[in-house]
Amino acid sequence: DAGITQSPRHKVTETGTPVTLRCHQTENHRYMYWYRQDPGHGLRLIHYSYGVKDTDKGEVSDGYSVSRSKTEDFLLTLESATSSQTSVYFCAIARGDTGELFFGEGSRLTVL
Amino acid sequence: QQQVKQSPQSLIVQKGGISIINCAYENTAFDYFPWYQQFPGKGPALLIAIRPDVSEKKEGRFTISFNKSAKQFSLHIMDSQPGDSATYFCAASGRSDYKLSFGAGTTVTVRA
Repeated sequence: DAGITQSPRHKVTETGTPVTLRCHQTENHRYMYWYRQDPGHGLRLIHYSYGVKDTDKGEVSDGYSVSRSKTEDFLLTLESATSSQTSVYFCAIARGDTGELFFGEGSRLTVL
Repeated sequence: QQQVKQSPQSLIVQKGGISIINCAYENTAFDYFPWYQQFPGKGPALLIAIRPDVSEKKEGRFTISFNKSAKQFSLHIMDSQPGDSATYFCAASGRSDYKLSFGAGTTVTVRA
Protein backbone atom coordinates (compact mmCIF):
# COMPACT_ATOMS: atom_id res chain seq x y z
CA ASP A 1 0.00 0.00 0.00
CA ALA A 2 1.66 3.24 -1.17
CA GLY A 3 -0.73 5.49 0.75
CA ILE A 4 -2.46 6.78 -2.41
CA THR A 5 -6.17 7.58 -2.48
CA GLN A 6 -7.98 8.56 -5.64
CA SER A 7 -11.40 10.19 -5.73
CA PRO A 8 -13.92 9.75 -7.09
CA ARG A 9 -13.42 6.10 -8.01
CA HIS A 10 -16.24 6.21 -10.56
CA LYS A 11 -17.84 9.14 -12.34
CA VAL A 12 -20.26 9.53 -15.21
CA THR A 13 -20.57 12.98 -16.72
CA GLU A 14 -21.78 14.69 -19.85
CA THR A 15 -19.80 16.21 -22.69
CA GLY A 16 -18.80 19.79 -21.99
CA THR A 17 -18.88 19.61 -18.20
CA PRO A 18 -15.79 20.21 -16.04
CA VAL A 19 -14.39 17.30 -14.06
CA THR A 20 -11.74 17.21 -11.34
CA LEU A 21 -10.05 14.05 -10.14
CA ARG A 22 -8.12 14.09 -6.88
CA CYS A 23 -5.04 12.15 -5.85
CA HIS A 24 -4.06 12.22 -2.20
CA GLN A 25 -0.88 10.72 -0.77
CA THR A 26 0.08 10.24 2.86
CA GLU A 27 3.85 9.69 2.51
CA ASN A 28 5.13 13.14 1.47
CA HIS A 29 6.66 12.05 -1.85
CA ARG A 30 7.95 14.73 -4.19
CA TYR A 31 7.00 13.21 -7.55
CA MET A 32 3.38 12.55 -8.51
CA TYR A 33 1.90 11.49 -11.87
CA TRP A 34 -1.38 11.20 -13.71
CA TYR A 35 -1.75 8.44 -16.32
CA ARG A 36 -4.68 7.31 -18.39
CA GLN A 37 -5.21 3.69 -19.39
CA ASP A 38 -6.95 2.68 -22.60
CA PRO A 39 -7.10 -0.72 -24.33
CA GLY A 40 -4.24 -1.18 -26.77
CA HIS A 41 -2.31 1.80 -25.42
CA GLY A 42 -1.12 0.71 -22.02
CA LEU A 43 -0.72 3.65 -19.69
CA ARG A 44 0.09 7.09 -21.05
CA LEU A 45 1.40 10.00 -19.04
CA ILE A 46 -0.86 13.06 -18.90
CA HIS A 47 0.95 15.38 -16.47
CA TYR A 48 3.36 15.04 -13.62
CA SER A 49 4.59 17.10 -10.68
CA TYR A 50 8.04 17.36 -9.14
CA GLY A 51 7.01 19.55 -6.21
CA VAL A 52 4.45 22.02 -4.94
CA LYS A 53 3.40 24.27 -7.82
CA ASP A 54 5.92 22.49 -10.11
CA THR A 55 4.23 20.57 -12.91
CA ASP A 56 4.99 19.54 -16.48
CA LYS A 57 3.23 17.97 -19.42
CA GLY A 58 3.29 14.35 -20.45
CA GLU A 59 2.61 12.78 -23.83
CA VAL A 60 -1.20 13.21 -23.83
CA SER A 61 -1.73 16.51 -21.98
CA ASP A 62 -4.14 18.24 -24.42
CA GLY A 63 -7.49 18.93 -22.74
CA TYR A 64 -6.11 18.43 -19.23
CA SER A 65 -4.69 20.70 -16.55
CA VAL A 66 -3.23 19.95 -13.14
CA SER A 67 -2.54 21.71 -9.90
CA ARG A 68 -0.51 20.93 -6.83
CA SER A 69 -0.93 23.48 -4.06
CA LYS A 70 0.31 21.16 -1.31
CA THR A 71 2.56 18.11 -1.26
CA GLU A 72 -0.16 15.58 -0.55
CA ASP A 73 -2.68 16.53 -3.24
CA PHE A 74 -2.41 16.43 -7.04
CA LEU A 75 -5.53 17.43 -8.96
CA LEU A 76 -6.34 16.59 -12.57
CA THR A 77 -8.94 18.79 -14.28
CA LEU A 78 -10.80 18.29 -17.52
CA GLU A 79 -12.06 21.81 -18.27
CA SER A 80 -14.66 20.60 -20.77
CA ALA A 81 -14.94 16.82 -20.89
CA THR A 82 -15.16 15.04 -24.25
CA SER A 83 -16.07 11.44 -25.06
CA SER A 84 -12.44 10.76 -26.01
CA GLN A 85 -11.54 11.36 -22.38
CA THR A 86 -13.56 8.35 -21.27
CA SER A 87 -10.86 6.27 -19.63
CA VAL A 88 -9.44 4.92 -16.42
CA TYR A 89 -7.17 7.44 -14.74
CA PHE A 90 -4.34 6.39 -12.44
CA CYS A 91 -2.34 8.48 -10.06
CA ALA A 92 1.17 7.39 -9.10
CA ILE A 93 3.95 8.45 -6.80
CA ALA A 94 7.68 7.87 -7.11
CA ARG A 95 9.04 6.50 -3.88
CA GLY A 96 12.45 7.76 -2.81
CA ASP A 97 15.17 8.06 -5.43
CA THR A 98 14.76 4.60 -6.91
CA GLY A 99 12.41 5.57 -9.71
CA GLU A 100 9.88 3.02 -8.51
CA LEU A 101 6.35 4.17 -9.24
CA PHE A 102 3.41 3.04 -7.16
CA PHE A 103 -0.11 3.43 -8.42
CA GLY A 104 -3.48 4.17 -6.90
CA GLU A 105 -6.59 2.09 -7.53
CA GLY A 106 -7.79 4.24 -10.43
CA SER A 107 -10.72 6.49 -11.26
CA ARG A 108 -13.05 5.32 -14.00
CA LEU A 109 -14.51 8.26 -15.93
CA THR A 110 -17.28 7.94 -18.49
CA VAL A 111 -18.16 10.95 -20.62
CA LEU A 112 -21.52 10.61 -22.37
CA GLN B 1 4.14 6.81 -30.92
CA GLN B 2 4.78 4.27 -28.22
CA GLN B 3 8.37 4.37 -26.98
CA VAL B 4 8.19 0.81 -25.71
CA LYS B 5 6.83 -1.94 -27.95
CA GLN B 6 5.44 -5.04 -26.24
CA SER B 7 4.45 -8.43 -27.60
CA PRO B 8 2.43 -10.58 -27.68
CA GLN B 9 -0.88 -8.84 -27.00
CA SER B 10 -2.17 -11.96 -25.26
CA LEU B 11 -1.06 -15.47 -24.48
CA ILE B 12 -2.50 -18.63 -23.01
CA VAL B 13 -0.33 -21.08 -21.11
CA GLN B 14 -1.01 -24.29 -19.25
CA LYS B 15 -0.45 -24.51 -15.53
CA GLY B 16 3.20 -25.26 -14.91
CA GLY B 17 4.28 -23.82 -18.26
CA ILE B 18 6.49 -20.83 -19.06
CA SER B 19 5.09 -17.46 -20.10
CA ILE B 20 7.39 -15.18 -22.08
CA ILE B 21 6.68 -11.51 -22.84
CA ASN B 22 9.00 -9.36 -24.92
CA CYS B 23 9.63 -5.63 -25.06
CA ALA B 24 11.81 -3.38 -27.21
CA TYR B 25 12.77 0.27 -26.86
CA GLU B 26 14.60 2.91 -28.88
CA ASN B 27 15.54 5.60 -26.39
CA THR B 28 19.10 4.93 -25.24
CA ALA B 29 18.57 7.33 -22.30
CA PHE B 30 16.32 4.75 -20.64
CA ASP B 31 18.09 3.16 -17.71
CA TYR B 32 15.32 1.61 -15.61
CA PHE B 33 13.08 -1.20 -16.85
CA PRO B 34 10.24 -2.38 -14.59
CA TRP B 35 7.45 -4.84 -15.13
CA TYR B 36 3.99 -4.27 -13.69
CA GLN B 37 1.21 -6.77 -13.01
CA GLN B 38 -2.40 -5.64 -13.09
CA PHE B 39 -5.54 -7.50 -12.04
CA PRO B 40 -8.99 -6.38 -13.23
CA GLY B 41 -10.26 -3.33 -11.36
CA LYS B 42 -6.90 -2.70 -9.68
CA GLY B 43 -3.96 -0.42 -10.26
CA PRO B 44 -0.72 -1.74 -11.76
CA ALA B 45 1.61 -3.23 -9.15
CA LEU B 46 5.38 -3.28 -9.47
CA LEU B 47 6.50 -6.87 -10.04
CA ILE B 48 10.22 -6.77 -10.78
CA ALA B 49 12.67 -4.27 -12.28
CA ILE B 50 16.15 -4.19 -13.78
CA ARG B 51 18.82 -1.64 -14.61
CA PRO B 52 21.11 -2.05 -17.64
CA ASP B 53 24.23 -2.91 -15.64
CA VAL B 54 22.98 -6.51 -15.30
CA SER B 55 21.68 -8.93 -17.94
CA GLU B 56 19.30 -10.91 -15.76
CA LYS B 57 17.37 -10.57 -12.53
CA LYS B 58 15.33 -13.26 -10.85
CA GLU B 59 12.73 -12.98 -8.10
CA GLY B 60 10.98 -16.22 -7.32
CA ARG B 61 9.29 -17.49 -10.47
CA PHE B 62 9.77 -14.21 -12.33
CA THR B 63 12.91 -13.43 -14.35
CA ILE B 64 13.85 -10.38 -16.41
CA SER B 65 16.35 -10.87 -19.22
CA PHE B 66 17.97 -7.71 -20.58
CA ASN B 67 19.91 -7.26 -23.84
CA LYS B 68 21.36 -3.75 -23.94
CA SER B 69 22.88 -3.99 -27.42
CA ALA B 70 19.58 -5.16 -28.94
CA LYS B 71 17.55 -2.75 -26.78
CA GLN B 72 15.26 -5.55 -25.73
CA PHE B 73 14.10 -7.04 -22.46
CA SER B 74 11.75 -9.82 -21.56
CA LEU B 75 9.79 -11.28 -18.66
CA HIS B 76 9.73 -15.02 -18.04
CA ILE B 77 7.14 -16.50 -15.70
CA MET B 78 8.24 -19.99 -14.72
CA ASP B 79 5.85 -22.67 -13.45
CA SER B 80 2.89 -20.46 -14.35
CA GLN B 81 -0.07 -20.66 -11.95
CA PRO B 82 -3.75 -19.69 -12.40
CA GLY B 83 -3.16 -16.83 -9.96
CA ASP B 84 -0.66 -15.36 -12.44
CA SER B 85 -3.52 -14.66 -14.87
CA ALA B 86 -3.32 -10.90 -15.25
CA THR B 87 -2.20 -8.15 -17.60
CA TYR B 88 1.53 -7.45 -17.62
CA PHE B 89 3.11 -4.18 -18.68
CA CYS B 90 6.73 -3.48 -19.43
CA ALA B 91 7.97 0.07 -18.97
CA ALA B 92 11.09 2.20 -19.16
CA SER B 93 12.31 5.51 -17.81
CA GLY B 94 15.36 7.72 -17.61
CA ARG B 95 17.05 8.75 -14.40
CA SER B 96 16.03 12.39 -14.10
CA ASP B 97 12.28 12.47 -13.51
CA TYR B 98 11.13 8.84 -13.30
CA LYS B 99 8.57 9.30 -16.09
CA LEU B 100 7.63 5.79 -17.14
CA SER B 101 6.79 4.95 -20.76
CA PHE B 102 4.66 1.82 -20.91
CA GLY B 103 4.18 -0.95 -23.42
CA ALA B 104 0.63 -1.74 -24.56
CA GLY B 105 0.28 -4.70 -22.22
CA THR B 106 0.01 -8.50 -22.46
CA THR B 107 -2.94 -10.41 -21.09
CA VAL B 108 -1.77 -13.74 -19.69
CA THR B 109 -4.25 -16.54 -19.09
CA VAL B 110 -3.06 -19.62 -17.22
CA ARG B 111 -5.27 -22.67 -17.77
CA ALA B 112 -5.52 -25.16 -14.92
